[in-house]
Amino acid sequence: GIQVEQSPPDLILQEGANSTLRCNFSDSVNNLQWFHQNPWGQLINLFYIPSGTKQNGRLSATTVATERYSLLYISSSQTTDSGVYFCAVANFGNEKLTFGTGTRLTIIP
Amino acid sequence: NAGVMQNPRHLVRRRGQEARLRCSPMKGHSHVYWYRQLPEEGLKFMVYLQKENIIDESGMPKERFSAEFPKEGPSILRIQQVVRGDSAAYFCASSPGTIYEQYFGPGTRLTVT
Repeated sequence: GIQVEQSPPDLILQEGANSTLRCNFSDSVNNLQWFHQNPWGQLINLFYIPSGTKQNGRLSATTVATERYSLLYISSSQTTDSGVYFCAVANFGNEKLTFGTGTRLTIIP
Repeated sequence: NAGVMQNPRHLVRRRGQEARLRCSPMKGHSHVYWYRQLPEEGLKFMVYLQKENIIDESGMPKERFSAEFPKEGPSILRIQQVVRGDSAAYFCASSPGTIYEQYFGPGTRLTVT
């Protein structure tokens, strides 16, 4: 099956810093989503981005499908950004999402 | 438009009992997916259903687990004779069709004592 790798596994930043999270995948995809799992365990949809670039407030994402990677940018980090960020993909002919192992982000006040 | 709803949010079962987890998809969504998250791990696909049909159950354990999505009512994930290793968060997602964004519910946290 498709492999999904996320980096870095852990990231600790001061409030106000910017960060870039990476997601590499091993096959062509027709679905790529970014999620934030907050400390209470809720999974929040951030982006649906199988290709191209999107922005939502302080967050933006870019997927370069031909090179099989996606990036999530967080600017001016806030403590509420803490949690685990997951990338999930589905390849052609498949509807099931395969999740990466996540990046644990900790924002220090 | 209400989001994906799951209940109960927390469920405690003794070993050997049955667990029933319910998922109501978003309005207009006819595709339902179940995922499991073991402690300190990522989410793993279990099963994909459309109304009255199981489309892909490749991630479902062969024994004790079953899922349905009837014509009327919520999707049900059923775990018979639970064991401690079934303790996990179970998430349901829905979408309006194929190759669409999947929207996730708040999850059901199952604890087996």
